Amino acid sequence: DVHLVQSGGGLVHPGGSLRLSCAASGFSFSSYEMNWVRQTPGKGLEWISYVGSSGSPVHYADSVKGRFTISRDNSKKSLFLHMNSLRVEDTAVYYCVEDWFHYDSDGPKRSDYWGQGTLVTVSS
Amino acid sequence: QAVVTQEPSVTVSPGGTVTLTCNSSTGAVTSGDFPNWIQQKSGQAPKTLIYSTANRHPWTPARFSGSLLGGKAALTLSSAQPEDEADYYCLLYFGGPHPWVFGGGTKLTVL
Repeated sequence: DVHLVQSGGGLVHPGGSLRLSCAASGFSFSSYEMNWVRQTPGKGLEWISYVGSSGSPVHYADSVKGRFTISRDNSKKSLFLHMNSLRVEDTAVYYCVEDWFHYDSDGPKRSDYWGQGTLVTVSS
Repeated sequence: QAVVTQEPSVTVSPGGTVTLTCNSSTGAVTSGDFPNWIQQKSGQAPKTLIYSTANRHPWTPARFSGSLLGGKAALTLSSAQPEDEADYYCLLYFGGPHPWVFGGGTKLTVL
């Protein structure tokens, strides 16, 4: 079974930094692309960052570009999100999500597996 | 970047059937967009029910089905149960520098 266990998060002041971690198990982590998705309180889901299976390429939503950095350590089956220059509007639950791209008898398929989420609160 | 739209809220009676839809600003949704349907119950993490248009995960009740309907992705719930009350998000895959785009979600009420 796929398991994505997240850690990090918490309360931070505006302008501060935080690192989120996501430990993967139950699948060949180094073979799959990974993403971070966030959900602000009472709102919908927002994709914020992507990393290829080997660590590149990386992509970011405009809302976090230049402030957040996604990375992974395939030897440790871990995904990270380094968040700098945090703003009040970055307050959200952050989810680590695996992009399960695979082939079956009907051709290519794509699904996603989600971590449990971690709350980041940016407040003075 | 594409905009993905869903009905904001839908109500279904217990035992009834309802279809939620997912529309893309770029044109017709196709299987190549790998539409996924994600359920999020109150206070819980999201969980994908339907992937790549019409495929169920082992945990997905058979009363949920996915399809393409009139240029949109569709999630049909047959014989709705009270426990199906949740937010449902559509996710489309576009690749490139903004690979994933979520719909705004549909709040499904079973009443």
